[in-house]
Amino acid sequence: TQLLEQSPQFLSIQEGENLTVYCNSSSVFSSLQWYRQEPGEGPVLLVTVVTGGEVKKLKRLTFQFGDARKDSSLHITAAQPGDTGLYLCAGSFNDYKLSFGAGTTVTVRA
Amino acid sequence: DVKVTQSSRYLVKRTGEKVFLECVQDMDHENMFWYRQDPGLGLRLIYFSYDVKMKEKGDIPEGYSVSREKKERFSLILESASTNQTSMYLCASSPIAGRGEQYFGPGTRLTVT
Repeated sequence: TQLLEQSPQFLSIQEGENLTVYCNSSSVFSSLQWYRQEPGEGPVLLVTVVTGGEVKKLKRLTFQFGDARKDSSLHITAAQPGDTGLYLCAGSFNDYKLSFGAGTTVTVRA
Repeated sequence: DVKVTQSSRYLVKRTGEKVFLECVQDMDHENMFWYRQDPGLGLRLIYFSYDVKMKEKGDIPEGYSVSREKKERFSLILESASTNQTSMYLCASSPIAGRGEQYFGPGTRLTVT
């Protein structure tokens, strides 16, 4: 059983559209990370959120941590083909281990 | 930039062979991790190490062992490879004083025939 549930599992959109990926848990995390992974490569860290209600922006990507620190969302504005990849959320319980969601595969069609 | 390297990108081994996967990080991180990644299952922790010669089992340690003789190097050993160990293997490192962020290598795609 995954500690972190991601939805949707797959997302295919046209270039220029917006998308949102969700990461939910019944557990409270001390911090939560989002990673992007391209085929055949390792995950690359995008952002870390630590405070309930925190919003972080990275160019066209907006990350939000829920008030109760149990959930998070990733919103991409005007998606581009370069945004294609597997998006993973991962939560930390104040130690150095991470619990990962199963991931959301995003495909942006040109 | 943190750099984590893995000894092989692709590996094909036969059932019963002993397999060594090597990982090296250049950022003096205390923590190192081995995961396997399978479709629909996400990343599952096999073993981790928080110091030289220290190791702890993760969620799926059966069939694997590890070695950390130097701070920068963490090896994963498959004592007798089996077909159900065909997977993508990812190594990661993190600093002890961080917020949980881990830095990953490019992965090793292992096929056991």
